[in-house]
Parts: sequence; structure tokens; C-alpha cells
Amino acid sequence: DAMVIQNPRYQVTQFGKPVTLSCSQTLNHNVMYWYQQKSSQAPKLLFHYYDKDFNNEADTPDNFQSRRPNTSFCFLDIRSPGLGDAAMYLCATSRAGTKEETQYFGPGTRLLVL
Amino acid sequence: EDQVTQSPEALRLQEGESSSLNCSYTVSGLRGLFWYRQDPGKGPEFLFTLYSAGEEKEKERLKATLTKKESFLHITAPKPEDSATYLCAVGTTDSWGKLQFGAGTQVVVTP
Repeated sequence: DAMVIQNPRYQVTQFGKPVTLSCSQTLNHNVMYWYQQKSSQAPKLLFHYYDKDFNNEADTPDNFQSRRPNTSFCFLDIRSPGLGDAAMYLCATSRAGTKEETQYFGPGTRLLVL
Repeated sequence: EDQVTQSPEALRLQEGESSSLNCSYTVSGLRGLFWYRQDPGKGPEFLFTLYSAGEEKEKERLKATLTKKESFLHITAPKPEDSATYLCAVGTTDSWGKLQFGAGTQVVVTP
């Protein structure tokens, strides 16, 4: 089945220790997104890649970076995690250029910062 | 300013008791309205996309409808497995790739 895969599902890191979350997709979609979702809140878009073009949201902290080495993979790097960065991180994909622009989400990575 | 509001915040239903969730929106230009289901600790699961007023879509016990100002998600004869948070999101014509999410409606269905 075509899908969006996120690894790891749970990640524990220490305050200030860099961490990388990964996302891969078999949907062959050209757009990939990273969202942050805190408890009982709606997902908040951090940035997205349209093909190789990176689009950062204006209010995304500089502490958050992303890489997309190829169509299938995308990484979220948190350079110096703070306690406030503990959240669920969601990866999503969509196909641009058609009417069908639905975003499909992965299972998420739960990040805990100690 | 674009706005998406979901109501109620929480809904408790008896099994078999049908109900509706509301998603009202104020946007400059609607590109699409999306409904997702989210279980605790999991990513949102896609349910429906609606593009124009009057459009309706159904899947099992769920039916989504769209007007120019709001969307409804009707749950007919719900079962306990329909318990989840239902998220509504709107895509606009002036902000491609960005979804404006509502805060969600948490639905609990008891046997």
C-alpha cells in the first residue's frame, strides 16, 4: 500500500541535543510538509517542499530546519531542542498540479525533551 | 483574515445516536475543504475533500456536505469505533499548500 512513513515513532532527546526526524513516502507526491502538533491543538505548518523548492512559514523558529535529498525522503532537524519543542511532528504529502490536492499524513513522531 | 471554526468542541453520543459536526469558515477564496479523523497519538486520517457548494460525499456512516459558509459532517448511527477527533481544514486560493485547520471536535461514542 502506498503510504507516508515516519521514523522513529517516539523520540526522546535531551535539552539542547540535536535531533533528526525522518519521513518517507511511496505515493510519488511532489510536495512534502512538516507540521507540529501540541496536545489538543490543531496541526501547525512549519514548512513544505514543492519539489526541491523550500517554503518556510514566517513564524517557524530558526531552530527548525529541513532537508529533502530526493522525492521520497524528507527530514526535520531540530538544532537545539527546548522543552517547548516537545510535541507530535507530522509529515504529510500531496500532489500539486492537479485538482486533487489532498494532504496525506504519516503516523507522526512523538518527541519528548528532557 | 481567514478563519475556520468547529463546533461543538466535544460531543458525547450513545451508540446509534446520529449527530452532526459543524465547520464554519471565512476565507477569501476556497480551494478545498478537507475532513480528517485523528485517533489519539496518531496522524490525521483523510476522510473527504469538498470543492464546491452543494457537493456531498459519503463513506460508511459518515457524510460530508458543503455550503458557501460551512460544512457539516453527519455521523449516522455511530459505533464506538467512530470515537475520535474530527478535524476540518480549508485550503485557500491565495495560499497554496497551506491548510487552515479548525481546533477539532472530539467525539466519544458509548455503547
